[in-house]
Amino acid sequence: ETVLTQSPGTLSLSPGERVTLSCRASQSVSSNYLAWYQQKSGQAPRLLIYGASSRATGIPDRFSGSGSGTDFTLTISRLEPEDFAVYYCQQFGISPYTFGQGTNLEIK
Amino acid sequence: QVQLVQSGSELKKPGASVKVSCQASGYTFNDFAIYWVRQAPGQGFEWMGYINTNTGNPSNAQGFTGRFVFSLDTSVTTAYLQISSLKAEDTAVYYCAREREDSEALGHWGQGTLVTVSS
Repeated sequence: ETVLTQSPGTLSLSPGERVTLSCRASQSVSSNYLAWYQQKSGQAPRLLIYGASSRATGIPDRFSGSGSGTDFTLTISRLEPEDFAVYYCQQFGISPYTFGQGTNLEIK
Repeated sequence: QVQLVQSGSELKKPGASVKVSCQASGYTFNDFAIYWVRQAPGQGFEWMGYINTNTGNPSNAQGFTGRFVFSLDTSVTTAYLQISSLKAEDTAVYYCAREREDSEALGHWGQGTLVTVSS
């Protein structure tokens, strides 16, 4: 199966800062099939980015995704208080459609 | 709007069975598969598989075969996840989800159902 490794595991930052999260795949993933989700405590995940770089409906433009092959990133240009959450990547290119283990973004 | 509404939390003893429902609304049920995803306490997500709502054919991921059964009742636009011979390690939140209209990314999620297995 395709293993997705996210880094770092935890990040402590302040509102207003810029952050880049990494998702590395054990084998090449088509860009069409890489997504990012945000999950807040006690809630279902919310789709942020699909197709590696397309924002889902209603997602602010401070969120952006990029990458190809085995290396993908999610960037938040300027952190808002509501952005502190856990972020997951997922690939749909090869079954099983695996998730990364998550990056916990916490307030410093 | 698209909604996936799941059944409530369950507390079961080891060896019992549980059936989690996921009722869909706001779209044509047969047009999109229903996916199932597991999240153990404090952990990440495991993709369990999906059911084709057009044909009723399930596709279970490795590790989720045998005891895990996906089914449908199209008359009430509802998908089901049944887990038999429950074990303590099945304790988790189970989510149903649907892909976006234009991508296989999971754009619509149920609220999750907590299944607790404890004696």
